[in-house]
Amino acid sequence: NAGVTQTPKFQVLKTGQSMTLQCAQDMNHEYMSWYRQDPGMGLRLIHYSVGAGITDQGEVPNGYNVSRSTTEDFPLRLLSAAPSQTSVYFCASSYGVQGGIYEQYFGPGTRLTVT
Amino acid sequence: QQPVQSPQAVILREGEDAVINCSSSKALYSVHWYRQKHGEAPVFLMILLKGGEQKGHDKISASFNEKKQQSSLYLTASQLSYSGTYFCGTSNAGGTSYGKLTFGQGTILTVHP
Repeated sequence: NAGVTQTPKFQVLKTGQSMTLQCAQDMNHEYMSWYRQDPGMGLRLIHYSVGAGITDQGEVPNGYNVSRSTTEDFPLRLLSAAPSQTSVYFCASSYGVQGGIYEQYFGPGTRLTVT
Repeated sequence: QQPVQSPQAVILREGEDAVINCSSSKALYSVHWYRQKHGEAPVFLMILLKGGEQKGHDKISASFNEKKQQSSLYLTASQLSYSGTYFCGTSNAGGTSYGKLTFGQGTILTVHP
């Protein structure tokens, strides 16, 4: 199993550009999520999905879009990049248990710089 | 709302014990604990569910006080490999909100020889 994979590992964007961060998992997990982590900060939830076709907003959704057309993939789209979106982005997946989520497996992260 | 962790940082010598606390202002369904080493992704340690179920790591234990909306992570006989930043994440039950895991700001643990 590859687990959770993210591409690209590094990316530099200019202000106003758009791009998609890719996330895929091969564990048949129903739950997937995107977090951003800024220096010295904790993880902040951007968007999450509890199954194919179902997504919801997290704490900091503005400027980001997601969709979940398959169980395996959960791409994150930056609509118009801003310097404030410079961060490390982590994707995670988990299976559900008792109406909650269980152990989250994190991808290796994408380091994004917006100039 | 973000859970609050304390202390912000802990320095230990090998073999010493530590306790990291996590508290929330909202009723909790579950508490997750993760450890992150510098430059790496967070790694799962422990989950505590409302009702007392607990699953996690062999050498690390935790408690969950549902009435006080608090959890504590207990690290005993610390090893150098325990160094890193520890995060608690909390979720509430109901609808799809169980998928909304909110993390604390982290506790930096440093273990010296």
